[in-house]
Amino acid sequence: QVQLQESGPGLVKPSQTLSLTCTVSGDPISSGDYYWSWIRQSPGKGPEWIGFIYYTGGADYNPSFKSRVSISVDRPKNQFSLKLNSVTSADTAEYFCARVYRDYPDVYFDSWGQGTLVSVSS
Amino acid sequence: QSVLTQPPSASGTPGQRVTISCSGSTSNIGSNFVYWYQRLPGTAPKLLIHKNNQRPSGVPDRFSGSKSGTSASLAISGLRSEDEADFYCASWDDSLSGPVFGGGTKVTVL
Repeated sequence: QVQLQESGPGLVKPSQTLSLTCTVSGDPISSGDYYWSWIRQSPGKGPEWIGFIYYTGGADYNPSFKSRVSISVDRPKNQFSLKLNSVTSADTAEYFCARVYRDYPDVYFDSWGQGTLVSVSS
Repeated sequence: QSVLTQPPSASGTPGQRVTISCSGSTSNIGSNFVYWYQRLPGTAPKLLIHKNNQRPSGVPDRFSGSKSGTSASLAISGLRSEDEADFYCASWDDSLSGPVFGGGTKVTVL
C-alpha cells in the first residue's frame, strides 16, 4: 500500500522560497503508472491544485502559480518536491502531496499524504 | 472562492439520509467526471467516489454519488457518528486544464 509523507519547514519568511519534499513508499515513482501532485488548502477554503509531475520530469502547473512554482522528481530517492517562490501570507496553507490516477478524462487523487502546515510570516 | 460550490454544512441524526450538493459549470462538472473526497478529523483526505458514482474498494455502499448537468450530489444513507467529516467535490476543469475542488461541506451527526 502506497504511503506519502510531506516534509519541510513549517515557517517561511515573506518573499522567500517555500520548499517541500514528498517521500513515497510502497510504489516506485519510476513505474510510470501514476502522476504525482501537490495540493494546498488555505484556512477556511477548499483544496487548490498546484501541479502534477510524471516520473520523466514533465510537469503541469495551475496557471495561478505558474510563474512561481516548480515541481521536480528524484527517482532514486522516490521523492518529488515543490518549490514556490516569492511567498506571501496568502501562501499560508496546509500542503499535501498525492498520487494521481490520470487517464483523461478520469483524473483523481487516490492516495494523499497527511499534510504539512506552512506559515508565511516574518 | 472555490470553483465548485458546496453548502458549508449539513447535519442529520443517526440513521438519517444526508445529501450534499456540488454546483459547477460546463467547463468542469458539465463535461467531466465528479469525484468526492472525505476528510475525517486529523487524517488525510480519502477518495470516496470516482467517475460520478463509483465507489473504490472498501467504501461502504451507504455512500452514493450522482451527477446531472452541471451539478452533482453525494448522499450518505444510514448516517453514523463516524461519518462526521469534511466532504469535498472535485472535477477536471477544461479551462484550467487541471482539477478544481469545492469549498467543502462539514457533516455533523446530531
